[in-house]
Amino acid sequence: DQQVKQNSPSLSVQEGRISILNCDYTNSMFDYFLWYKKYPAEGPTFLISISSIKDKNEDGRFTVFLNKSAKHLSLHIVPSQPGDSAVYFCAASVGTNAGKSTFGDGTTLTVKP
Amino acid sequence: DARVTQTPRHKVTEMGQEVTMRCQPILGHNTVFWYRQTMMQGLELLAYFRNRAPLDDSGMPKDRFSAEMPDATLATLKIQPSEPRDSAVYFCASGLVPLQGYEQFFGPGTRLTVL
Repeated sequence: DQQVKQNSPSLSVQEGRISILNCDYTNSMFDYFLWYKKYPAEGPTFLISISSIKDKNEDGRFTVFLNKSAKHLSLHIVPSQPGDSAVYFCAASVGTNAGKSTFGDGTTLTVKP
Repeated sequence: DARVTQTPRHKVTEMGQEVTMRCQPILGHNTVFWYRQTMMQGLELLAYFRNRAPLDDSGMPKDRFSAEMPDATLATLKIQPSEPRDSAVYFCASGLVPLQGYEQFFGPGTRLTVL
């Protein structure tokens, strides 16, 4: 039973356009959500997060939207740049679980120049 | 520049051999995680520690895997005996919970190949 799902294994966009990465979850106890970016041969790095008390969080070119009723979150990258090409992981946490996160399988984003 | 370090970065071994992976978490972090990533798969949580005490190791095959934190600066993951299906990239991550939320800082990983 996969509690965090990223249904699109890959996404390709043109430089300058918007990238939208999606994530669905099934556990209604999740109250904190994170996105990580991973380049080849490196560990994931934290990108942006959102608490369940919010529906949007913005940091520069990156915005995360949370729709609790649909159990869905999305990461928007505007404008997309070639350096954004990486694997993006969605993760979710329950506040009482001492920081433990459940990760999705990742979406590989390719931004074409 | 604080970062999580992992050794070795690459390990090739033969089936049946013992493998030990080491991790140095960021100084001051109170939570350490071990993950495994296989080809085209997400991050599978193997075990994690809070203030050096194991909180959950339900993700590990108990008969062959073991995880410890001998001290606050070292976490180890051992596989004995290793099998070809253990071939994967193993990541260590640390965090300061709850002061820094749930953000985890990952090391570069150990790529393990078991022949």
